[in-house]
Amino acid sequence: DVKVTQSSRYLVKRTGEKVFLECVQDMDHENMFWYRQDPGLGLRLIYFSYDVKMKEKGDIPEGYSVSREKKERFSLILESASTNQTSMYLCASSLLRYRDHNQPQHFGDGTRLSIL
Amino acid sequence: AQSVTQLDSQVPVFEEAPVELRCNYSSSVSVYLFWYVQYPNQGLQLLLKYLSGSTLVKGINGFEAEFNKSQTSFHLRKPSVHISDTAEYFCAVTSNTGFQKLVFGTGTRLLVSP
Repeated sequence: DVKVTQSSRYLVKRTGEKVFLECVQDMDHENMFWYRQDPGLGLRLIYFSYDVKMKEKGDIPEGYSVSREKKERFSLILESASTNQTSMYLCASSLLRYRDHNQPQHFGDGTRLSIL
Repeated sequence: AQSVTQLDSQVPVFEEAPVELRCNYSSSVSVYLFWYVQYPNQGLQLLLKYLSGSTLVKGINGFEAEFNKSQTSFHLRKPSVHISDTAEYFCAVTSNTGFQKLVFGTGTRLLVSP
């Protein structure tokens, strides 16, 4: 079974802090994704990566950056945390198929981040 | 661009009753469709997926969904729900164009009461 592990389940930080959310997957997946989940808005894609050192902006990248130095690890960085970034953050991974996009994404349990 | 609409934000139902959670999508190309379930304080878990072939897809925990291309729908059904089915359900769509991104609906919270 695929295991996607997010380093923290709950995190409380202060405005202006630099925040790191870490995600590790153990199935050698090429694709990794960061979403935020807010009530009534569903999941919104922040960034994704299809290879080491590669990154692509999702739908809401403002205020965030990412790092992928190793294939199994994908980090989300809040450069200067603000209260409107209080949310549930979900990491996911999937296999890359160049001609076939039907691979499901596998999710971690999420990090509930509160910015005070 | 693709989009997914889940019209019902919340569906209350009694235990052992049937349930249908509605999902409509919009896309100009062929799609792959997924249903995910999120139990409280957990991440998303794949319930079922439609890739091609038979339009009736069976998933885990007794759920099934029917792909209807003419109505651009992918409704999720279960003939008899349990208390343990209380969760949030997300419909998602992707296609073979561009990157392998999923577009999610806003979710439907299924509340099963005794």
